[in-house]
Amino acid sequence: RKEVEQDPGPFNVPEGATVAFNCTYSNSASQSFFWYRQDCRKEPKLLMSVYSSGNEDGRFTAQLNRASQYISLLIRDSKLSDSATYLCVVLPNTGNQFYFGTGTSLTVIP
Amino acid sequence: DVKVTQSSRYLVKRTGEKVFLECVQDMDHENMFWYRQDPGLGLRLIYFSYDVKMKEKGDIPEGYSVSREKKERFSLILESASTNQTSMYLCASSLRGEVEPQHFGDGTRLSIL
Repeated sequence: RKEVEQDPGPFNVPEGATVAFNCTYSNSASQSFFWYRQDCRKEPKLLMSVYSSGNEDGRFTAQLNRASQYISLLIRDSKLSDSATYLCVVLPNTGNQFYFGTGTSLTVIP
Repeated sequence: DVKVTQSSRYLVKRTGEKVFLECVQDMDHENMFWYRQDPGLGLRLIYFSYDVKMKEKGDIPEGYSVSREKKERFSLILESASTNQTSMYLCASSLRGEVEPQHFGDGTRLSIL
C-alpha cells in the first residue's frame, strides 16, 4: 500500500467554482502534513501546512482527519491562476523522509 | 527566504557518462534530499542526507550515489548514465526535528542520449 494516495484527476472546473481534493495516508503516526502546488515544468512550492485544528489562508482551507487518515484541500472562488498540480505531503513521526502523493491536476476554465 | 540552488536547469549527456548534479542551500538546513519526477509516477526519493557525510537510501537508489562533504552542498552522481535516467531531478532541503516543510530547487531536466 502506498504511503500517500491522491486522486490524480484531472479536475476541470469553471472560474468561481469551489473544488476539494482529498489525500489519504497509511501511517497513523504521521505528524506533519502539507499541500504543495506545482506548475507545469516547475518545482513544487509550499502552498500551506495542515494543522490538526484545520487552517485557512484566503480562498484555501486545509483540514486533517486523523481518525480516517486523510487530509483535504478546499479552494473557493477558483481563479484561472489556480490551475496546477496539487501535491499532498506527509511526514511520519519517525525519520526525516517525506512522502509525496502523485498529485491532483486542476484546470480552471474561463 | 530559503534558497535552494541547483547547478543546471537543463543538461544533456551521453550514455555511459558520469554525471554530477549539484545542489546548494543557504539556510543551514540539516536535511537534504534528491528526487526524480516522472510523468504518472510523482516524486520518488533517490537519496537523502541528515548530516554532513551521512546518507540514506531512498526508494530508488540504484544507479546513483551521493556526496555531502559540506552542510550546504549535496551532490547526486550518476555513475554510468543510462537512457532510463532521463528525468526531472529535484533537490530539496529542510530543518531536522521541526514541523518544517521541504524547500525545492528549480530542478534539473536531464536528458541521456
